[in-house]
Amino acid sequence: QKEVEQNSGPLSVPEGAIASLNCTYSDRGSQSFFWYRQYSGKSPELIMFIYSNGDKEDGRFTAQLNKASQYVSLLIRDSQPSDSATYLCAVNIPTGRRALTFGSGTRLQVQP
Amino acid sequence: DAGITQSPRYKITETGRQVTLMCHQTWSHSYMFWYRQDLGHGLRLIYYSAAADITDKGEVPDGYVVSRSKTENFPLTLESATRSQTSVYFCASRPPTGSYEQYFGPGTRLTVT
Repeated sequence: QKEVEQNSGPLSVPEGAIASLNCTYSDRGSQSFFWYRQYSGKSPELIMFIYSNGDKEDGRFTAQLNKASQYVSLLIRDSQPSDSATYLCAVNIPTGRRALTFGSGTRLQVQP
Repeated sequence: DAGITQSPRYKITETGRQVTLMCHQTWSHSYMFWYRQDLGHGLRLIYYSAAADITDKGEVPDGYVVSRSKTENFPLTLESATRSQTSVYFCASRPPTGSYEQYFGPGTRLTVT
C-alpha cells in the first residue's frame, strides 16, 4: 500500500462545475496535509494546506480533512480551463524525516 | 529576487559521466530537499538537509551524493550517471519551525544517453 494515494485521472469537468480531488494516506500519525498544483513542465506550487479536521476555504478552493477516515480532499468551485493541471496531495509522514510524502497526482481537465 | 533557483535547467549527459545539479535559495530556509519526478512514481525524495553540514538519505538515494557547506546551497551530484537517472529533479526548501510547507525550485530536466 502506498503511503499517499490518489486517483491518477484524468478527471474531466465542464467549465463552471465543481471539481473534487481525493487523497488517502496510510499513517494515522500524519498531522499536516498539503495540496500542490503542477502545470505541465512546471514545478509544484502550494495552493492549500490543512491541519485540523473539517473544511478550510480559500477563494474557490476548499480543503477537507477527515483524520478518522485518513482522507483529504480538494474542491475547486467554478472550475476554469486555467485550473487544468495535475494536483498533488502531500502529507508529512512522521518517520523522522522533515519532508513531505507525495501522491502521484490527479490530472484535472476543465473543458470550456 | 528572493526565491529558489536551480541550474542548469536542462542537461544532457552520457552514461558514466559525473553531473552536478545546483540549488540556491535566498530565504535562509534551514531545510532543503532534492526530489526526482518520474511518470508513474510522482515525487520521490532523494536527499534532504536540516542545516549546513547536516544531510540524510531519502527514499531513493543510491547513485547520488549531496553536500551542504552553506545554508543557501544544496548541490546534488550524480557520481556516474545511468539511464535510469533520466528524470526531472526538483529542489525544495522550508523554514525550520512551524509548518511543513515546502517551496519548490523550477526544476532541472536531466537526460542521460
